[in-house]
Amino acid sequence: QQKVQQSPESLIVPEGGMASLNCTSSDRNVDYFWWYRQHSGKSPKMLMSIFSNGEKEEGRFTVHLNKASLHTSLHIRDSQPSDSALYLCAASGMGYKLTFGTGTSLLVDP
Amino acid sequence: EAAVTQSPRSKVAVTGGKVTLSCHQTNNHDYMYWYRQDTGHGLRLIHYSYVADSTEKGDIPDGYKASRPSQENFSLILELASLSQTAVYFCASSDRTGNTEVFFGKGTRLTVV
Repeated sequence: QQKVQQSPESLIVPEGGMASLNCTSSDRNVDYFWWYRQHSGKSPKMLMSIFSNGEKEEGRFTVHLNKASLHTSLHIRDSQPSDSALYLCAASGMGYKLTFGTGTSLLVDP
Repeated sequence: EAAVTQSPRSKVAVTGGKVTLSCHQTNNHDYMYWYRQDTGHGLRLIHYSYVADSTEKGDIPDGYKASRPSQENFSLILELASLSQTAVYFCASSDRTGNTEVFFGKGTRLTVV
C-alpha cells in the first residue's frame, strides 16, 4: 500500500494552460511535504516544499497544504513545454525518512 | 549546488553475480540514501545511513546490502543479482532527515540479464 498517493497518474494540458496535481499521505506522522520534478532521463530535483497550512507561491507554481487531511496540491499556471516531466510528491516527518508517491506524468502540448 | 556522484552510470550484470554501486558526496551531509525507481513505483527507499559505519533498512531492503565506510561514501551491494533488480538506482544525500532538501545523484541504470 503506497503511503503517498498521487493523482492523476498522467495529465495533458495545452501550452499556457493550468495543471493541477494532487497528493495525499496516509501516514499521520508526516509534517513536511515536498514536490520534486524529474525530467526524462534525469534525476529528481526539488521544486517546492510546504510545511504549514495554506498556500505558497513561487513564480508560476503554487502549492497548497491541508495538514488536517494530509493533502497537498501543486498548480502550474501558464504551463510551458519545458514543464513536461514526472512530478513526484514526497512526505516526511522529523526523524522519518522521505517517502515518495508514484508520480504524475505531465505533458504540456504546444 | 550539492554534489552527489554515482558510479557506474550504467551496468549490465549477470543473474547471480555480485554488483556494487558506489556513491560519493561532497556536501558534508550526514544522511545518505539509496532509492530505486521502476515505472509505476516512483522512488522506493532501499537503505539509508545517518552516520559512517552504520546503515538502516528502508522500505525494500531484501536482496540488498549497504555500506557507509565514511561520511562521503555510501555503497549498495547486490550479492546475488536477480532479474527483478533491473531498475534505475539513485543515491541521495541530505543535511538531516525530515525538513531538509534531499539532493540526488544522476542515477545508475542497472540491467540484470
